[in-house]
Order: sequence, then C-alpha cells, then structure tokens
Amino acid sequence: AQRVTQPEKLLSVFKGAPVELKCNYSYSGSPELFWYVQYSRQRLQLLLRHISRESIKGFTADLNKGETSFHLKKPFAQEEDSAMYYCISGGYQKVTFGTGTKLQVIP
Amino acid sequence: GAVVSQHPSWVICKSGTSVKIECRSLDFQATTMFWYRQFPKQSLMLMATSNEGSKATYEQGVEKDKFLINHASLTLSTLTVTSAHPEDSSFYICSARGVAGGMDTQYFGPGTRLTVL
Repeated sequence: AQRVTQPEKLLSVFKGAPVELKCNYSYSGSPELFWYVQYSRQRLQLLLRHISRESIKGFTADLNKGETSFHLKKPFAQEEDSAMYYCISGGYQKVTFGTGTKLQVIP
Repeated sequence: GAVVSQHPSWVICKSGTSVKIECRSLDFQATTMFWYRQFPKQSLMLMATSNEGSKATYEQGVEKDKFLINHASLTLSTLTVTSAHPEDSSFYICSARGVAGGMDTQYFGPGTRLTVL
C-alpha cells in the first residue's frame, strides 16, 4: 500500500532562515508526487509537482528515488509562507495524503 | 481558471436526517473526483474515488451505504450522508482531477462543514 510520511507536525523557523519540510513515501512503481499548501482559511492548492521540476514561490522539491523522499525546500523563509503543507502521492485512481506539516515563520 | 466548488459550505442537521453535498468542477471536466474527510488538526482521509458514470470505489472502513456517492456528469459529484449521526460531524472536502489550462492536476474544493446535532 502507498504510504506518505511527514515526520514533523510543526516546524517553526525564523524569517530568512532556510526551510526543509520532509516527506518520505513508499510506493511500488513510479510515484507521482505533489506538494499542496493550505493557507489559513483557504482551500488546498497545488504548490509543486515532481514531474514539473519547477520552483514556485521560491520552493523546490527534488524526488530522490534512492531515499524515497520528496522534501520541500526554500532557502529563505518568508512570513507569508506560514501555512499547512501536505505531501501527496497520487495517480488517477488513488491519492494518499501525508499527515501534514504546519510551517510557522517567526518574524 | 480551474476551480472546484462545494455546496453547501456549512450545514447543521438533526440526527437521523440525510445531507447531500455537491461538488462541481468549473471550467474543466473532471475525469475523477475524490471525497475526503478531515477531522480537526488532522490530515485528509480519502473516503472514496469516483469516475463519471460508474460506481465509486470506497476506502476500507468507509460504509458505502452510509456515504452515497453519485458522479452523474464530468462536472458534478454528490456525497449523501444518510441517517447522519453526531459522529459523522466533520469537514468534507472534494477534489477533482482533470486537465485545465494544459495541466493535468487535482483541484480541491473549499470543503463543507457538517454538524449533526
């Protein structure tokens, strides 16, 4: 069965500090991985997908098949980055959520 | 742009009644729709996956007779909580997967808060 693990429930960093939100997955086959973000009182929205290899709002995430990880990184945290972040493994017929990590950026 | 709407956003009902929640994809056709349940301070739990015109696939532990899902068209799916009880009180979120703006991805609705008295 697919499993997505986000070991940290809460991550607090100071503004300007680097951020790394961890995500590990277990999946047989080629995973399709995403990071979704939920700002306060807003719906979940797509932040990154691994196949795009893009940088959104300064965030990047690299799929490491050897370590089965898809960690989300940003070199300098901003206050507006404070939100809940979910790592998701998904395909057309199956979606698995990580437990989520609350990122708190301290001014 | 692609949006998923849910209606209603909040519903309060008496125990024993049934509640229907609608999920619509706007500006794109959803090949697959997902229904989730979220308890306070917890992650989303997938309840079921539905494809247009076919029966929904329920996750283990989710009662299909209690949570009726109908996916009548490529833009509409409904979740009916039958004979609701207080333990069904939760935040229900739908998502729709399809191609919008050239990108195939999953879009989430804003959620529906169900309170059963």
